[in-house]
Amino acid sequence: NAGVTQTPKFQVLKTGQSMTLQCAQDMNHNSMYWYRQDPGMGLRLIYYSASEGTTDKGEVPNGYNVSRLNKREFSLRLESAAPSQTSVYFCASSEGGVLYNEQFFGPGTRLTVL
Amino acid sequence: AQSVTQLGSHVSVSEGALVLLRCNYSSSVPPYLFWYVQYPNQGLQLLLKYTTGATLVKGINGFEAEFKKSETSFHLTKPSAHMSDAAEYFCAVSETGGFKTIFGAGTRLFVKA
Repeated sequence: NAGVTQTPKFQVLKTGQSMTLQCAQDMNHNSMYWYRQDPGMGLRLIYYSASEGTTDKGEVPNGYNVSRLNKREFSLRLESAAPSQTSVYFCASSEGGVLYNEQFFGPGTRLTVL
Repeated sequence: AQSVTQLGSHVSVSEGALVLLRCNYSSSVPPYLFWYVQYPNQGLQLLLKYTTGATLVKGINGFEAEFKKSETSFHLTKPSAHMSDAAEYFCAVSETGGFKTIFGAGTRLFVKA
């Protein structure tokens, strides 16, 4: 099992460009998440999908959109990138529906916006 | 709203010394608490979790944590540090509803030879 995979691993964008970060999991998990990690701020939730067909905003959703394509895949789109979106992005998944489910994380995408 | 505070953004210990990473939380309902570890250029992985029952929780790699309700704390300890323990550690609390987890800002552990 590959677990949670993310593509690309690295990306450099110019201000105003768009891109989509891809995430897939092979653990048959119901819930999926997108976080951003910035120095000294831990992980902040951007969007999550409790189950296939649903998505909800997290703590910092502005400037992002998501699509839960199917049970396996959850993508994050930046429509018009800004330097403030320079960060490391992590996708995660969990069985969902239980308070104490652990989350399984992908290796991350390091994004720089110039 | 639930929140997590990790005391100390950086902690440095000598190899073989006790590791103590501090975490305090706020929650209006019984919390579910986690410690995750992040090695350089990797995603987070679960070290241990507290759900219900025994307040002393044992995790992987010799780490353990104790849930103290009266102190709203969930500190992480390891009796003897190893060079391979150098990483960033995140305390987290599960939010009511089961779909969101609130992470602390993280503590980077340095281990000196």
